[in-house]
Amino acid sequence: SYELTQPPSVSVSPGQTASITCSGDKLGEKYAYWYHQKPGQSPVLVIYQDNKRPSGIPERFSGSNSGNTATLTISGTQAMDEADYYCQAWDSSTGVFGTGTKVTVL
Amino acid sequence: QVQLQESGPGLVKPSETLSLTCTVSGGSISSYYWSWIRQPPGKGLEWIGNIYYSGSTNYNPSLKSRVTISVDTSKNQFSLKLSSVTAADTAVYFCARVDGYNSHFDYWGRGTLVTVSS
Repeated sequence: SYELTQPPSVSVSPGQTASITCSGDKLGEKYAYWYHQKPGQSPVLVIYQDNKRPSGIPERFSGSNSGNTATLTISGTQAMDEADYYCQAWDSSTGVFGTGTKVTVL
Repeated sequence: QVQLQESGPGLVKPSETLSLTCTVSGGSISSYYWSWIRQPPGKGLEWIGNIYYSGSTNYNPSLKSRVTISVDTSKNQFSLKLSSVTAADTAVYFCARVDGYNSHFDYWGRGTLVTVSS
């Protein structure tokens, strides 16, 4: 089965840049999606089709996808960005989520 | 604004069937794909399966033998049945809208916790 691997945790200082990777076989040939989830809440889409931001998502969120790795970058990280982040892709018609990354803003 | 609301029993006995319904309001269930996703306590997200409004389905291969997803367009609802449950099926179950074939989940329900226990 297809798997997406993320680092368990990323720490970042306020105002700095956080990068979260998502690795999967030939992931660059698929679209990558990114969601964040705060405790007790539903996931929220932050990036779709590799690098597009939904309405209402701040410009500090950006994405890229090439080769076997998709990357979510948060520039000028704010305390409110502290959350769990999940990548997601489709393998044929099967949805696959990444293992998840906890972003801590120190 | 599209809203999704999960409903169903919060407690299911081992070996029985888990049944949940997702009611869609603020928009039509037609012309979209609709998914079930779950999250065990303290763990990550797992896609269970989806259904097109016409009734065609796709399931997670790891759950396929136990899962049935159905749709009732007259009620703007879709449903999940998971049979032969065990404690490993204890999770928060989310329903979500898929914005097109193999696309992103753009609207989510709040989720409902289902505990499998005798």
